[in-house]
Amino acid sequence: NAGVMQNPRHLVRRRGQEARLRCSPMKGHSHVYWYRQLPEEGLKFMVYLQKENIIDESGMPKERFSAEFPKEGPSILRIQQVVRGDSAAYFCASKGQGTYEQYFGPGTRLTVT
Amino acid sequence: LAKTTQPISMDSYEGQEVNITCSHNNIATNDYITWYQQFPSQGPRFIIQGYKTKVTNEVASLFIPADRKSSTLSLPRVSLSDTAVYYCLFLSPGSARQLTFGSGTQLTVLP
Repeated sequence: NAGVMQNPRHLVRRRGQEARLRCSPMKGHSHVYWYRQLPEEGLKFMVYLQKENIIDESGMPKERFSAEFPKEGPSILRIQQVVRGDSAAYFCASKGQGTYEQYFGPGTRLTVT
Repeated sequence: LAKTTQPISMDSYEGQEVNITCSHNNIATNDYITWYQQFPSQGPRFIIQGYKTKVTNEVASLFIPADRKSSTLSLPRVSLSDTAVYYCLFLSPGSARQLTFGSGTQLTVLP
């Protein structure tokens, strides 16, 4: 059973460009969470999605950031017009229905130059 | 929202037992205490979870006193590969609530 997959593992973008981060949850998991980790800090929650629905986006910046989890395909975290402060590691985690343990992917390291 | 307090860092030597304590004064009745481990450049990994008293698995033990205001993660005979950041968190079984990570404890195991 493959774990949570994220791609790309490393992404470099210039200021003003768009970044698209992908997360494929574990097989059978319908809950996806996105977290951001700045250097030397713990992970901070961004958004929680179920298939085709955003359940909680209270941790997501109001502008430039969006997330989706379509019926088919991976969950996408999209950052428009990136700025240097967006440089961080972005992790997604997935969870099965009725369970509590979240399984994390390896992360995408975004560098904005 | 309940908050956890852990030491920022700890050093140990190979073969020693390491105990990391987490304080959580206002833990909710339904919350389970959960520990995650994170290696550099990797996502966090679930280690152990408990509600009260003692829980043991193949990786660690978790001690929780009756008042549940703290918990202690115990790693027996650590090796260099146990060098990582350890996070103490809360989880409610069946809840879809997101995880709240503090700064964690950086454990460094020395040869």
